[in-house]
Amino acid sequence: SYVLTQPPSVSVAPGQTARIICGGKNIGSKSVHWYQQKPGQAPVLVVYDDSDRPSGIPERFSGSNSGNTATLTISRVEAGDEADYYCQVWDSSTDHLVFGGGTKLTVL
Amino acid sequence: QVQLQESGPGLVKPSETLSLTCTVSGGSMSSDYWSWIRQPPGKGLEWIGYFYYSGSINYNPSLKSRVTISLKTSKNQFSLQLSSVTAADTAVYYCARGRLGVVGPHFDFWGQGTVVTVSS
Repeated sequence: SYVLTQPPSVSVAPGQTARIICGGKNIGSKSVHWYQQKPGQAPVLVVYDDSDRPSGIPERFSGSNSGNTATLTISRVEAGDEADYYCQVWDSSTDHLVFGGGTKLTVL
Repeated sequence: QVQLQESGPGLVKPSETLSLTCTVSGGSMSSDYWSWIRQPPGKGLEWIGYFYYSGSINYNPSLKSRVTISLKTSKNQFSLQLSSVTAADTAVYYCARGRLGVVGPHFDFWGQGTVVTVSS
């Protein structure tokens, strides 16, 4: 089955740029989606199809995907961005959905 | 605005069957991937399965032998049944709408989640 790998944690100072990576074999051939989850809340979609943003999501959130790595970039990080972030893809060989293990973003 | 709401028992005994229902409002169920996702305490998200409006159903291989997802379009509901539960099935269970994108679906609307504890 397809596996997505994320670092357990990323730390960044307010105002700086956070980059959260999601690794997978030839992930560049798939569409990657990203979710933000704050404690006690349901996940929220922040980027879909590699780099599109749902309405209401700030432009500070962006995504890219190439080769074996997809990246969620959060510019001008704010305290309110502190959360867990998950990547997700569709494994077309099995029609299964796969989540990465999640990355905890800490704003210092 | 689509809204989803999970309902069902918060406590299930070991070896019994967990049953949850998701009620959808503000939109039609005649498209999309209607999905269940769970999150054990302190852990990440785990996809359980989906019912695609065309009738296609797919389950996480690790749960396939115990899971049934069904749709009730007339009631705008879909359900989850997980049999022979153990403590490892204790989790927050979410229902979500999977909207088809460029390659496969992404989850654009989620329920608030319901806590299910497996204990005698």
